[in-house]
Amino acid sequence: AQKITQTQPGMFVQEKEAVTLDCTYDTSDPSYGLFWYKQPSSGEMIFLIYQGSYDQQNATEGRYSLNFQKARKSANLVISASQLGDSAMYFCAMRGLTLAGGTSYGKLTFGQGTILTVHP
Amino acid sequence: DTGVSQNPRHKITKRGQNVTFRCDPISEHNRLYWYRQTLGQGPEFLTYFQNEAQLEKSRLLSDRFSAERPKGSFSTLEIQRTEQGDSAMYLCASSLWGAVVYGYTFGSGTRLTVV
Repeated sequence: AQKITQTQPGMFVQEKEAVTLDCTYDTSDPSYGLFWYKQPSSGEMIFLIYQGSYDQQNATEGRYSLNFQKARKSANLVISASQLGDSAMYFCAMRGLTLAGGTSYGKLTFGQGTILTVHP
Repeated sequence: DTGVSQNPRHKITKRGQNVTFRCDPISEHNRLYWYRQTLGQGPEFLTYFQNEAQLEKSRLLSDRFSAERPKGSFSTLEIQRTEQGDSAMYLCASSLWGAVVYGYTFGSGTRLTVV
């Protein structure tokens, strides 16, 4: 079974500053992928960044980077130079990448989310 | 390609009625997923298809729920005898098997309100 935990219900950040959103996970899969999604008030889930458990380097995509610490089972999202448009709900998710992971293979399991508010 | 399309965007129905939602995935994506999201929570997996085959169903998917993807393209999710607890956002997503680094592309969802 897989579990994603996001312990920060809400976070506040000043515009142009960096913010870290926490995510810890638990899985028995030998190989897995970690994702972050953004959900603005419009409701659409927007894919931000992906990290494979086998990747040696932390993933980066523009202003987004993923601080992956495999031994601690954490995959925190770092947003640099926050913008007002970054205000949204953020979800961490994972899926198994091998059939050995059983039912976790193929489907995403999401955390509870963190609401980020960027202040001007 | 305009992404994943879901219809309708909103549905209000009376308890006990049947409802059907439609999802049109990205055309080259062979996997299609249905999720349910209640207010303030993360999406919960319901079911997914690879082409026309339904590969997995969640225990959340009671006998009142059924999903189809008859020709491996669009999919429908039907809820029979709706209950107030079915009120939620129903999200559809699609992906290309093997292209996990690109994530799953989600639609804007169908918000169901059962009164």
